[in-house]
Amino acid sequence: AQSVTQLGSHVSVSEGALVLLRCNYSSSVPPYLFWYVQYPNQGLQLLLKYTSAATLVKGINGFEAEFKKSETSFHLTKPSAHMSDAAEYFCAVRVSGGYNKLIFGAGTRLAVHP
Amino acid sequence: KAGVTQTPRYLIKTRGQQVTLSCSPISGHRSVSWYQQTPGQGLQFLFEYFSETQRNKGNFPGRFSGRQFSNSRSEMNVSTLELGDSALYLCASRDRDQETQYFGPGTRLLVL
Repeated sequence: AQSVTQLGSHVSVSEGALVLLRCNYSSSVPPYLFWYVQYPNQGLQLLLKYTSAATLVKGINGFEAEFKKSETSFHLTKPSAHMSDAAEYFCAVRVSGGYNKLIFGAGTRLAVHP
Repeated sequence: KAGVTQTPRYLIKTRGQQVTLSCSPISGHRSVSWYQQTPGQGLQFLFEYFSETQRNKGNFPGRFSGRQFSNSRSEMNVSTLELGDSALYLCASRDRDQETQYFGPGTRLLVL
């Protein structure tokens, strides 16, 4: 069965610092992986996705993630945090043969302080 | 294109009542999925519809049901509401040959 683990339910960084949000997945087949962001009182917005093309994926708002099969990881990074990045971030894997079904991690709340 | 829309955005019900939530997908998208988000359980898949047929269902009791209309709009219904049904219900739509699901703003349901 596929699963996603996000290490760290809360991450706090200073403005301008590197953002690193960790995601590890479990999948018996090549996965489709996604990062979504959720701002307060809003739905989920897609940041980026991995669909077996390039292992380094660039997304919106300066975020990128690298797929590492040997480590079963798909960590999200941003070189320089901005105050507007404060939100909750979710890593998800699409269930193979499961059409639309996504399995989400528990989420990581990112705080950015001046 | 307009995004996924959900109505209503907020809803307050009492235990034992039933509720219907509505979702309009992005124009041209025929696949609609529903998710429940709670602080305790996180984001959980409810069900998925494509061309008016339920294709996949999550591990929820039969009180949770849904349907999809010929114009791809979808509704989900929860009968005999329980306090634990208080959650943000998210709808997502997907284009046929794409992997990405696009989410709506959600309907926040509070059961008293």
